[in-house]
Amino acid sequence: GAGVSQSPSNKVTEKGKDVELRCDPISGHTALYWYRQSLGQGLEFLIYFQGNSAPDKSGLPSDRFSAERTGGSVSTLTIQRTQQEDSAVYLCASSLVGGTHEKLFFGSGTQLSVL
Amino acid sequence: GENVEQHPSTLSVQEGDSAVIKCTYSDSASNYFPWYKQELGKGPQLIIDIRSNVGEKKDQRIAVTLNKTAKHFSLHITETQPEDSAVYFCAAPPLSNTGKLIFGQGTTLQVKP
Repeated sequence: GAGVSQSPSNKVTEKGKDVELRCDPISGHTALYWYRQSLGQGLEFLIYFQGNSAPDKSGLPSDRFSAERTGGSVSTLTIQRTQQEDSAVYLCASSLVGGTHEKLFFGSGTQLSVL
Repeated sequence: GENVEQHPSTLSVQEGDSAVIKCTYSDSASNYFPWYKQELGKGPQLIIDIRSNVGEKKDQRIAVTLNKTAKHFSLHITETQPEDSAVYFCAAPPLSNTGKLIFGQGTTLQVKP
């Protein structure tokens, strides 16, 4: 079956531009997560959705970062006025049941490069 | 908040040998400890997890052990194979239990044929 799909797989942008990253979770998964992975680093939590609401968005680094989820399915992560320090791999994950942090299925990520 | 420390950062073993990766956590209330494997260019994949009410769990060549008193847990891979080469991450949930995980910094395992 289809896994978590993320697009684009790679994105190169200029400093100051806005970018949108998309995540299609596994069908039927109610929980969706965004993580960020900087080069050679662990995964940094950004935001968690249960359905269309975000009970925990404590990991968003600044107000330049926002995310939404519609129809309990697709999610977009938007970064406004990108900075070089935003360069990283942005990973999306979904799980069947939310609030339990268990058995996350990750996509392959979007490699964002800010020049 | 929860802090997860992972060691070693890199590990090289000969094919057929065992590999052990250790993690410590800070929040004694944490009750779930997964291990993820990340191959180059891919997202992390769950390989094994353990709840705090058991001390050990095995799945073929991999096992996880948990010491709640010492607040550490370990991943054991026996009879390593070249395809085990990857980055391994441990994780633990923070007390707030809002669905997120705190990940360790990762261990790059290289299995030499």
